[in-house]
Amino acid sequence: AQKVTQAQTEISVVEKEDVTLDCVYETRDTTYYLFWYKQPPSGELVFLIRRNSFDEQNEISGRYSWNFQKSTSSFNFTITASQVVDSAVYFCALSEWGDYKLSFGAGTTVTVRA
Amino acid sequence: NAGVTQTPKFRVLKTGQSMTLLCAQDMNHEYMYWYRQDPGMGLRLIHYSVGEGTTAKGEVPDGYNVSRLKKQNFLLGLESAAPSQTSVYFCASSPGASGETQYFGPGTRLLVL
Repeated sequence: AQKVTQAQTEISVVEKEDVTLDCVYETRDTTYYLFWYKQPPSGELVFLIRRNSFDEQNEISGRYSWNFQKSTSSFNFTITASQVVDSAVYFCALSEWGDYKLSFGAGTTVTVRA
Repeated sequence: NAGVTQTPKFRVLKTGQSMTLLCAQDMNHEYMYWYRQDPGMGLRLIHYSVGEGTTAKGEVPDGYNVSRLKKQNFLLGLESAAPSQTSVYFCASSPGASGETQYFGPGTRLLVL
């Protein structure tokens, strides 16, 4: 069963628009961790954020913000005032307590047009 | 501080050939991982290691072997390459167990003809 679902395959926006990426996860554990990674066209995976299941505070880092809602099992990511450099594939991932692997979603490709 | 590095960056193999992918990390991390990335499927764990001299199977281990003779290195081997192993391979490392952030290398693109 897919543990992390990123329903949006591709999103295209014009520069300066806001874009929200959805991430829905599935787990029976009470202790788990959620991550977002960015994969720019150059191909590397860049770590963006880590959140544990006991911390539901939203977080903002510059133009990036994350909304964690345990009630809906979602961990959504918003880019405010998007820029061309934000064009990338974004992955949401889940790590369950006692499991070494990251379970990745299929990724959302974001294209920001000038 | 290079982080996680991978060698080679790109390789083309013929079916049945063998090769080894090398991963090195300079962060003194205990845990290391090999993932493969295929279109529309995110990344899937092949094998992982919880310390020098240890290895374990992940989600998709068939057709691959690994070794961790030194703490900083994690090797992924393909004994007899198949077209289904055409993929992008990522190595990662983390300081501890579940919940720790995994830091990824730049990836190796492998094409098996």
